[in-house]
Amino acid sequence: QKEVEQNSGPLSVPEGAIASLNCTYSDRGSQSFFWYRQYSGKSPELIMFIYSNGDKEDGRFTAQLNKASQYVSLLIRDSQPSDSATYLCAVNGEGGSYIPTFGRGTSLIVHP
Amino acid sequence: ETGVTQTPRHLVMGMTNKKSLKCEQHLGHNAMYWYKQSAKKPLELMFVYSLEERVENNSVPSRFSPECPNSSHLFLHLHTLQPEDSALYLCASSQESPGAGNTIYFGEGSWLTVV
Repeated sequence: QKEVEQNSGPLSVPEGAIASLNCTYSDRGSQSFFWYRQYSGKSPELIMFIYSNGDKEDGRFTAQLNKASQYVSLLIRDSQPSDSATYLCAVNGEGGSYIPTFGRGTSLIVHP
Repeated sequence: ETGVTQTPRHLVMGMTNKKSLKCEQHLGHNAMYWYKQSAKKPLELMFVYSLEERVENNSVPSRFSPECPNSSHLFLHLHTLQPEDSALYLCASSQESPGAGNTIYFGEGSWLTVV
């Protein structure tokens, strides 16, 4: 049973701070890792994906992957109130198991 | 506009009704999914179709019946639902590929209320 774990939060950060969201996974053979953002009442939208160990930056967002420790994180720099949402981590398996497993999501609140 | 279109966006139905949710993807993908998301709960995978064949059925009650007539269209037929089936139903699509990849893209969802 593949598992993807996220702290449900809420994580509360002040505007302008760095928000750090973490995700751990159980399937050591996982190959693809995704972060989705879901506003209340809306569907999830893809923010970033990462395949290789290390950091991947896209604007204010940085995804960090450590396969040895089986965790992936998302950093949001200069957090804005508009970043307040639930962030979902998703992980694909190995060997053609393309159906991703989603975490429960972390609720982020950025307060002015 | 996500490339995955769901209709209707909102549906209220009685427990004895029969209705259908429709999903269409314009991304050229070969896999389509139905997810259920209830309030305060994580995403629940219901069905997966790959190349129009059902490859996953996560112990979903038979009152939910999926149909995938082609790689661009996916339906979820609903009959004799229960109030606890009220939720956001999300359709998604992806391009199945071995190894790394397979990014899932979601539609905007269909809010279902069973009365």
